[in-house]
Amino acid sequence: EIVLTQSPATLSLSPGERVTLSCGASQRVSSNYLAWYQQKPGLAPRLLIYDASSRAAGVPDRFSGSGSGTDFTLTISRLEPEDFAVYYCHQYGISPITFGQGTRLEIK
Amino acid sequence: EVQLVQSGPEVQKPGESLKISCKGSGYIFTNYWIGWVRQMPGKGLDWMGIIYPSDSDTRYSPSFQGQVTISADKSINTAYLQWRSLKASDTAMYYCARQEVALGHVDVWGKGTRVTVSS
Repeated sequence: EIVLTQSPATLSLSPGERVTLSCGASQRVSSNYLAWYQQKPGLAPRLLIYDASSRAAGVPDRFSGSGSGTDFTLTISRLEPEDFAVYYCHQYGISPITFGQGTRLEIK
Repeated sequence: EVQLVQSGPEVQKPGESLKISCKGSGYIFTNYWIGWVRQMPGKGLDWMGIIYPSDSDTRYSPSFQGQVTISADKSINTAYLQWRSLKASDTAMYYCARQEVALGHVDVWGKGTRVTVSS
């Protein structure tokens, strides 16, 4: 199965800053079938990005995804207070579907 | 509005059986796959398996094959996740999740069902 490794595990930043989260795959992700989800405490995950770079409906344009092959990134151009959460990458190109272990974004 | 409504929290003893549910509404239930995702306390997301309610085609992650059973009743727009004999290590939040295709991203999530297994 494809193992997704997210880095860093935790990031401490301030509102207004720009952040880039990384997701590395143990093998090439077929057709760039990679998504990013945001999860806040006590809530279900929320889809942000799919197919590596397509923004889901209703997601603010400060969120963007990029990458291909084995290296993918999620960028938040300017952090808002509501963006502090855990972010997961997710590959769905090869069975079994797998998730990264998550990056926790916390307020400095 | 597209929704996945999950059954309520469960507290069970080791060795007991359990079936939790996920009811879809606001869309054509048989046109989408329903997957199940585990989240153990304080941990990340684990994809367990998926079912296509139209014909009950079911796929499991190797880690969960034989450990759980996924089923669906398309007449009532409901998918299920079932255990025959619970273990303490099954304590987790379980989310159902809608996917357009078997290998697809999740576009809609249920709110989750918390399962606690304790003697």
